[in-house]
Amino acid sequence: EVQLVESGGGLVKPGGSLRLSCAASGFTFSSYNMNWVRQAPGKGLEWVSYISSRSHYTYYADSVKGRFTISRDNAKNSVYLQMNSLRPEDTAVYYCAREEVMYSNSVRYNWFDPWGQGTLVTVSS
Amino acid sequence: SSELTQDPAVSVALGQTVRITCQGDSLRNYYANWYQQKPGQAPVPVIYGKNNRPSGLPDRFSGSTSGDTASLTITGAQAEDEADYYCNSRDTSGYHWVFGGGTKLTVL
Repeated sequence: EVQLVESGGGLVKPGGSLRLSCAASGFTFSSYNMNWVRQAPGKGLEWVSYISSRSHYTYYADSVKGRFTISRDNAKNSVYLQMNSLRPEDTAVYYCAREEVMYSNSVRYNWFDPWGQGTLVTVSS
Repeated sequence: SSELTQDPAVSVALGQTVRITCQGDSLRNYYANWYQQKPGQAPVPVIYGKNNRPSGLPDRFSGSTSGDTASLTITGAQAEDEADYYCNSRDTSGYHWVFGGGTKLTVL
């Protein structure tokens, strides 16, 4: 069974740091790009960060650039999100998501599947 | 980056057809994906790419795109389709992803 399991969430004070982990199983992790997506309480989904399969490329949303760092360890089938200088507006459930890919008529399609169950990060004093 | 705009809420009578739309400049170059999210659960894809459904998903879900607007159509909506629906695509740079604000679907 393809599965993603996040961990590392919790309560942290503004300005603090937290490291999220996402453990993958049931598929060849090193072949897939991975993403982090977050959802503030009662709000919509917000893409946070991307990392390519071999860590050659990383991208960040403007809202977290310079504060968050995505990384992965293919030997451990895991992707991480190091979050520094946390702000109250970073409070959210953080999901990791595999970037699935399909080719049809020379066109590449990408989408997020599966998603983990999420881990809650609360930034509050 | 770019934005995707969705109507915040839509309702449909049981068994009727409903269309949920998503508008944004990036949709002129990239297909929209659609995700369903029920309370307390992680999102799951319902449509990806041009008009592809994950295996096991009922064929009452379909997708289409015209210009800068993508649509998710549910033909014969069921009570279990009541959920939040989000569109997403690459942004205009092609490197980042962007989500629409979500549409809360109520089945009456």
